[in-house]
Amino acid sequence: DGGITQSPKYLFRKEGQNVTLSCEQNLNHDAMYWYRQDPGQGLRLIYYSQIVNDFQKGDIAEGYSVSREKKESFPLTVTSAQKNPTAFYLCASTDRGRGEQYFGPGTRLTVT
Amino acid sequence: AQSVAQPEDQVNVAEGNPLTVKCTYSVSGNPYLFWYVQYPNRGLQFLLKYITGDNLVKGSYGFEAEFNKSQTSFHLKKPSALVSDSALYFCAVRPLSGGYQKVTFGIGTKLQVIP
Repeated sequence: DGGITQSPKYLFRKEGQNVTLSCEQNLNHDAMYWYRQDPGQGLRLIYYSQIVNDFQKGDIAEGYSVSREKKESFPLTVTSAQKNPTAFYLCASTDRGRGEQYFGPGTRLTVT
Repeated sequence: AQSVAQPEDQVNVAEGNPLTVKCTYSVSGNPYLFWYVQYPNRGLQFLLKYITGDNLVKGSYGFEAEFNKSQTSFHLKKPSALVSDSALYFCAVRPLSGGYQKVTFGIGTKLQVIP
């Protein structure tokens, strides 16, 4: 099956700890995205990458970091600098940055 | 700056009745419009998109959407609602022209289909 996988589905961390969320796609898409979803706020773009070894900040990049060493993978690290990290995180990809986005199943992060 | 408005937090409709979920947008130039659906604790699934051409776009699961340029709207419709259509629906827009362009999502509308 082609698609996007995110792991883990649920993640619990203590305040002050960095945590990395995994996103892998086998769709051969060039562009990948990370969104944060909070109730009543829709989707907000954290980072995106149009090509390997290149990525750009989205609207709410503070406290997050990413890497794009392989076309298939776009991991997101939530650092201790992120003031309110508890949220549902969604990874997505598109073919050449155009067209509809394909989304992973999401990771729900809870930080206490 | 581009934006999407989904004016209704929730839409309730009886099973078998037609449904409409409203969306209006603002974008520079011609729009590239999308509808997505999200079931609880899942990612978004693509339903349909409008690029150019016929103002009535047909998509997955019997959904369709009507593009109205003068009203800058892109309402989602279905002739006969199913209980299984109950979910969160997102409208999204980006400029049609150019290479990479940011996509802006609305805040979502919860559709509740009542048996």
